[in-house]
Amino acid sequence: QVTLKESGPGILQPSQTLSLTCTFSGFSLSTYGMGVGWIRQPSGKGLEWLANIWWDDDKYYNPSLKNRLTISKDTSNNQAFLKITNVDTADTATYYCARIDSTTVVPCYFDYWGQGVMVTVSS
Amino acid sequence: DVVLTQTPPTLSATIGQSVSISCRSSQSLLDSDGDTYLNWLLQRPGQSPQLLIYSVSNLESGVPNRFSGSGSETDFTLKISGVEAEDLGVYYCMQATHAPYTFGAGTKLELK
Repeated sequence: QVTLKESGPGILQPSQTLSLTCTFSGFSLSTYGMGVGWIRQPSGKGLEWLANIWWDDDKYYNPSLKNRLTISKDTSNNQAFLKITNVDTADTATYYCARIDSTTVVPCYFDYWGQGVMVTVSS
Repeated sequence: DVVLTQTPPTLSATIGQSVSISCRSSQSLLDSDGDTYLNWLLQRPGQSPQLLIYSVSNLESGVPNRFSGSGSETDFTLKISGVEAEDLGVYYCMQATHAPYTFGAGTKLELK
């Protein structure tokens, strides 16, 4: 059974660094073809893809957030991480992690999602 | 960035009615590997998005077969053949062919 769960600070102040953790089970990020992505959603709004990390440590970022994002993983503890530097109120959102499975004949992006973690940036 | 335009933005349906949602892409979603990475997701109120359809027409495991996807290149459709109460929520199309991945603005399905 595949599960993912996000965790984060809840509230932080502008200019701080947001650190998010995705703890998952039912798959391994050391398995060829597996990946984890981060997606966020401001309250009442749509979805925005942020970054992916793959089994081979390949990383892809949304250029709209320029150099503020860093994605990483800890395969031994089944975790993926996302850091966002210099946050401001526009980063207030629910943050999701989701699995990518490209081991199948037809690769499947974001087949399992976490419950999301709400992050508020406020002074 | 690829822009996905979903129509209609809101859809009112009765239980049992069949409905369709359109997703049009600003560029072809056919990847160089031959696959087309266009997915459909449903976000029920207060819940995380849930994958329904991947790569245009592949039904995700556990998803009822009243959901179907079709299309190619830039025009895609999600059809629900007989809406049920549990289908209410916001439907998103999403593309993973071109980076950055992008989502449509969503179609809200509500009861008439």
